[in-house]
Amino acid sequence: EAGVVQSPRYKIIEKKQPVAFWCNPISGHNTLYWYRQNLGQGPELLIRYENEEAVDDSQLPKDRFSAERLKGVDSTLKIQPAELGDSAVYLCASRTTGTYEQYFGPGTRLTVT
Amino acid sequence: KQEVTQIPAALSVPEGENLVLNCSFTDSAIYNLQWFRQDPGKGLTSLLLIQSSQREQTSGRLNASLDKSSGRSTLYIAASQPGDSATYLCAARMDSSYKLIFGSGTRLLVRP
Repeated sequence: EAGVVQSPRYKIIEKKQPVAFWCNPISGHNTLYWYRQNLGQGPELLIRYENEEAVDDSQLPKDRFSAERLKGVDSTLKIQPAELGDSAVYLCASRTTGTYEQYFGPGTRLTVT
Repeated sequence: KQEVTQIPAALSVPEGENLVLNCSFTDSAIYNLQWFRQDPGKGLTSLLLIQSSQREQTSGRLNASLDKSSGRSTLYIAASQPGDSATYLCAARMDSSYKLIFGSGTRLLVRP
């Protein structure tokens, strides 16, 4: 069984530029999460999807961050414009209904210069 | 505010030693607690999940315990090996939303 796939693995951009991250969850997992992990910290939830519906986006900085999950499968997280403080690892995780365990992808390491 | 704290932030032990990693949480009414391992540049790998009704879970050389009344969980690693070197994170699910609150992790180094 393939795991959670994320791309790109690394991204370096200048501040004020846009950036997008892509996530393909495990097949059949209807719940998808985006987390941000700052250096030396644990992941913090940005947004949670149940199928194509964003059911918890209270932690998403909506002035510059946006996300979508078309057709309830793949998801894209976008930042526009990026700021220096956005440098972090962005992790995607997925879970199937009726279970508790979340499966994480390798993450995208973003560096904003 | 729901918080999860891990102590120590870093730990270095010689190979073969048994060790304990600590995790504390502010809300005793948790649903479950998970321990994850994170290798440098990698995502998180789930090690053990303890439901609120359970006291402990075991997998190989790993044993995790949960004491809700004291707001604590421990991860016990027996006979540590250099391959155990990684960052260990605990995460608590504190409500019905499946949202996990993570600690900052303990960075473990097992010296050959």
